[in-house]
Amino acid sequence: QSVLTQPPSVSAAPGQKVTISCSGSSSNIGNNYVSWYQQLPGTAPKLLIYENNKRPSGIPDRFSGSKSGTSATLDITGLQTGDEADYYCGTWDTSLSANYVFGTGTKVTVL
Amino acid sequence: QVQLQESGPGLVKPSQTLSLTCTVSGGSVSSGNSYWSWIRQPAGEGLEWIGRRHTSGSTNYNPSLKSRVTISVDTSKNQFSLTLTSVTAADTAMYYCARLNYYGSGGWDDAFDIWGQGTMVTVSS
Repeated sequence: QSVLTQPPSVSAAPGQKVTISCSGSSSNIGNNYVSWYQQLPGTAPKLLIYENNKRPSGIPDRFSGSKSGTSATLDITGLQTGDEADYYCGTWDTSLSANYVFGTGTKVTVL
Repeated sequence: QVQLQESGPGLVKPSQTLSLTCTVSGGSVSSGNSYWSWIRQPAGEGLEWIGRRHTSGSTNYNPSLKSRVTISVDTSKNQFSLTLTSVTAADTAMYYCARLNYYGSGGWDDAFDIWGQGTMVTVSS
């Protein structure tokens, strides 16, 4: 059971926007940086966002992240068929011993 | 650029020890800003962090696996390894090695920026 909760799925038409939420607590999102990962079918995850809202080199600005309190959000604008994938948030949980936790994952479907 | 490649047996018997190695190319496992990690994913399920190790010896492990896990680094071979003892069918998963890069803003300011392609491990007799 993950301590970070995401919606199981979101969908939208090409060109539209989707928003993926990641809900946690003060021991994880509330006090630590959030990252987001994209996992295309049959491939390893790929870093999309780090430090809540920064993009690694090569990640298009269609992907944006934000954090407020104990929740984080990933927005994907100008949705493309190639964006169909599973998306995971991740952060450290420092409640007892340091433990990196991933969200439950969200499947993005392009209609 | 840095690349990671996992290697190891694809089949392990129950109660035995799972051992995997990750070879680092295009960079050094001794990089000061990097921790080296293992993450696993059962088929059709989400990601589970296993642990991380720095070449300084600093380590953190998932509390749920801590009693069975060891991550080590071999700087002479530019590799790091995972050992998981007393495996059961619940340990069947795709295992990924990954670099946990520290971005320097203080606190737990890091992210998995480079991943290996993954290696499937099945625990079965």
